[in-house]
Parts: sequence; structure tokens; C-alpha cells
Amino acid sequence: QKEVEQNSGPLSVPEGAIASLNCTYSDRGSQSFFWYRQYSGKSPELIMSIYSNGDKEDGRFTAQLNKASQYVSLLIRDSQPSDSATYLCAVKVIKAAGNKLTFGGGTRVLVKP
Amino acid sequence: DTGVSQDPRHKITKRGQNVTFRCDPISEHNRLYWYRQTLGQGPEFLTYFQNEAQLEKSRLLSDRFSAERPKGSFSTLEIQRTEQGDSAMYLCASSPQLGTKPYEQYFGPGTRLTVT
Repeated sequence: QKEVEQNSGPLSVPEGAIASLNCTYSDRGSQSFFWYRQYSGKSPELIMSIYSNGDKEDGRFTAQLNKASQYVSLLIRDSQPSDSATYLCAVKVIKAAGNKLTFGGGTRVLVKP
Repeated sequence: DTGVSQDPRHKITKRGQNVTFRCDPISEHNRLYWYRQTLGQGPEFLTYFQNEAQLEKSRLLSDRFSAERPKGSFSTLEIQRTEQGDSAMYLCASSPQLGTKPYEQYFGPGTRLTVT
């Protein structure tokens, strides 16, 4: 079982619709969760962080965290063609000296005009 | 506020050669990370510095890989005797130690390495 799992996609959504991305993680000690957007050939760009159960909204993005179910999701409202990218879920486990992020393989999103 | 910078952006080398990459973190960030990303995969952690101390290394970091951050500012990642399997994007990220968002890591543009 991978530590962080995402559906690789592609997730095809029409322009203006809501894109829903899911991520599950295996380590119950995970405490910090991040979503990165990565355009083809570019580096990851941080778009959302979430640390406690519930929803966190930032513009058209909403992150949802359920630690009991070990599940974190990202909603993109009013999807635009410019949202077409790979979205990476990353998890940080609080350990004594570890600060690494563990990434999922990413979900490719295609927004069609 | 300038972001993380990396140099070079692209490197093509022949198998067996040594290569060195540089990373300059965001100026007020004292934590620095190296990751490697291959096509279709998420980034994989390589190593982490807090100031000049290297606090964690992945098992991915073989003896051919070495990283330094001598003055707690910029960092270098060296790969000796490169192999074709080293071809990847090498990403550097930095984060602040304190503040409201100490674990948020910001990535540089990456160095794409091609070993022929």
C-alpha cells in the first residue's frame, strides 16, 4: 500500500463545473496536508494547506480533511481551462526529526472549454 | 520576496560524469529540502537541512549523492558517477522554521538532469 494515494486521472471536467480530487493516506500520525498544482514541465506550486478536520476555503479552492477516514480532498469551483494541471497531494508526518513531505502520484485534471 | 532559485535549470551529462546543482532558498527560510521527481510520479524526498545541519537523508540517497549547506544559506547537491537512472527533475524547496505556517514548503523551478 502506498503511503499517499491519488487517482491518476485524467479527470475531465467542463469549464465552470466543480472538479473534485481525492487523496488517501496510510499513516495515522499524519498531521499536515498540502495540495500542490503542477503544470507540465514546471515545479509544484503550493495552493492549499490544511491541518485540522473540516473545510478550508481559499478563493475557488476548498480543501476538506477527515482524519478519522484518513482522507483529504480538494474541490475546484468554477473550473477554468487554466486549472488544467496535475494536482499533487502531500502529507507530513510529525516525527522527532523528520520534516519531509510524502507525495501522491498526482491527479491530472483537464478542463474543457 | 524572491522565491527559491535553482541553477542550472537543465543539465545534460554523459554517464559516469559528476554533476553539481545549486539551490538558493527564500532568504528568511532556514529549512531546505531536496526532492527528485520522475515522469508521472510525485516528488520523492532526498534530504533535509535545518540551517547547516543535514538532519535527514532518504535511503534513495545512495553513496553517489552528497548534499551540503555549508553556511546555512544556499545548498549544493552533487551526484558522482552519474547513471541513466539518475535522469529526473531535481527539486529544491524551503520552509520557515517558525511562524504560522512552518511546514509549508515552497519549491524552486527545478533542475532537469538528462544522463546520456
